[in-house]
Amino acid sequence: GAVVSQHPSRVICKSGTSVKIECRSLDFQATTMFWYRQFPKQSLMLMATSNEGSKATYEQGVEKDKFLINHASLTLSTLTVTSAHPEDSSFYICSASPAGRSEDQPQHFGDGTRLSIL
Amino acid sequence: QKEVEQDPGPLSVPEGAIVSLNCTYSNSAFQYFMWYRQYSRKGPELLMYTYSSGNKEDGRFTAQVDKSSKYISLFIRDSQPSDSATYLCAMTRGSNYKLTFGKGTLLTVNP
Repeated sequence: GAVVSQHPSRVICKSGTSVKIECRSLDFQATTMFWYRQFPKQSLMLMATSNEGSKATYEQGVEKDKFLINHASLTLSTLTVTSAHPEDSSFYICSASPAGRSEDQPQHFGDGTRLSIL
Repeated sequence: QKEVEQDPGPLSVPEGAIVSLNCTYSNSAFQYFMWYRQYSRKGPELLMYTYSSGNKEDGRFTAQVDKSSKYISLFIRDSQPSDSATYLCAMTRGSNYKLTFGKGTLLTVNP
C-alpha cells in the first residue's frame, strides 16, 4: 500500500517551455503533498508543501511564480515549472502521507521526474 | 549546526557484513524518525519508520532511536549487493510536517 505515482519520469524540452509534473496517491488520500528538488549527489531540498483546496506554502528562496503548485483533489498535486531555463534542470520528487488515520503516517515518495532544459 | 547530521561516506563493505548507519540531530521537537533507501535516479523508498525512542526490526533491518542522545541508527545484517544505494535518514514533528533529511550515506556492498 501507500503508492505514489509521479509522471512523467523524464522530460527534455527547450528553454522557455512550461512543464507540468503530476503526483498521484494511488491507494490513499492525501491532504498534504510535498515537492522536493534534488541535485546530483545531494539530499532532497523541500520546495513547497501542497495542501488540498488551499494555496501551497513555499520554502524560502523558492519562486512562487516560477513553480506553480495545484492540489485540486485528495489524490493529485501538480507542479508546473513555468518558462523553464537550463538552471531549472534537476530531479523533482513528490511525497505524500495518508490522511485521516488515527496515528501519523510516514511520507511515501514518487519515483521522481528528471527535467532537462536545453 | 545543521538540524540533522549524517556522514555522507562513501561506505564500502563486503557481502554479508553488518552495516551501521547513523544520524544525529539537534531539534528536540522531532518525534518521527525514518530511514529511506534511494537507488540512483529513483525516488526514496521507505525502509523503517519509528515513533519516539526504541528499536524496530524488519527482516535484516533494525532501526534504533535514542531521543535522549538525539541519535538514530540503522543496522543492516547480512548485507547484499542489492543493498548498495544511498541511505537517507529523515525526521519530522508529524506526518503533515515537512521532513528534515540528512545528507545521505552512499553504501556499496561488494560481492
